[in-house]
Amino acid sequence: QVVLVQSGAEVKRPGSSVKVSCMASGGIVSYSSFSWVRQAPGRGFEWMGRVYLTGGESYAPDFQGRITITADKSAGVSYMELRSLTSEDMAVYYCAGDRRFGSTSGSFFVDTWGRGTFISVSS
Amino acid sequence: IVVTQEPSLSVSPGGTVTLTCALRAGPISSTFYTGWYQQTPGQPPRTLIYDTHTRASGVPDRFSGSLVGDRAALTIAGAQAEDECDYYCIIYVGSGFWVFGGGTTLTV
Repeated sequence: QVVLVQSGAEVKRPGSSVKVSCMASGGIVSYSSFSWVRQAPGRGFEWMGRVYLTGGESYAPDFQGRITITADKSAGVSYMELRSLTSEDMAVYYCAGDRRFGSTSGSFFVDTWGRGTFISVSS
Repeated sequence: IVVTQEPSLSVSPGGTVTLTCALRAGPISSTFYTGWYQQTPGQPPRTLIYDTHTRASGVPDRFSGSLVGDRAALTIAGAQAEDECDYYCIIYVGSGFWVFGGGTTLTV
């Protein structure tokens, strides 16, 4: 069974950047895309974006311009880079492996979740 | 874009409860491809439902997704103690963009 292994927790300074990795291991990867969501302490989830393994990305408007999500399909790895960090970015960041259930632009679902990576932002 | 859920609900063991997901801007239809996730404290989310009503692999059939009026709904029939946790909906709003609801804390 494929599991998604994320990189470890980090402490970052305000204004800096963070790059979190997510590696699929334990089997053949057949995802259609990787998604990234985050959850601030005690809060709900926030959808950040998705990288499609056929090419292209989608980003939530709130992150547009300071987020980049990439993937190496052959290696089964996805990366999420978030720039210009503030204290509001302190959260657990989750990656997810998605599959398609149809041909429309919304026909994706999360098949596998990573365990999460906690990013702390503090001066 | 604001997606709202009941902040908290309670159900008796063995009972049935329906959680809803509403879009402030208008009705939710099948083209929003609503998903539902379950999260226990300290754990990553678990996918329960996608495409409004399709159960993810391994999800018990006491969980079902539907549309009720203008909202998406998650119904738990025969609630068990282990179902006590947080539930989140997510909807597709177009252009590759998805939005989560605020979550519902369920007490059993």
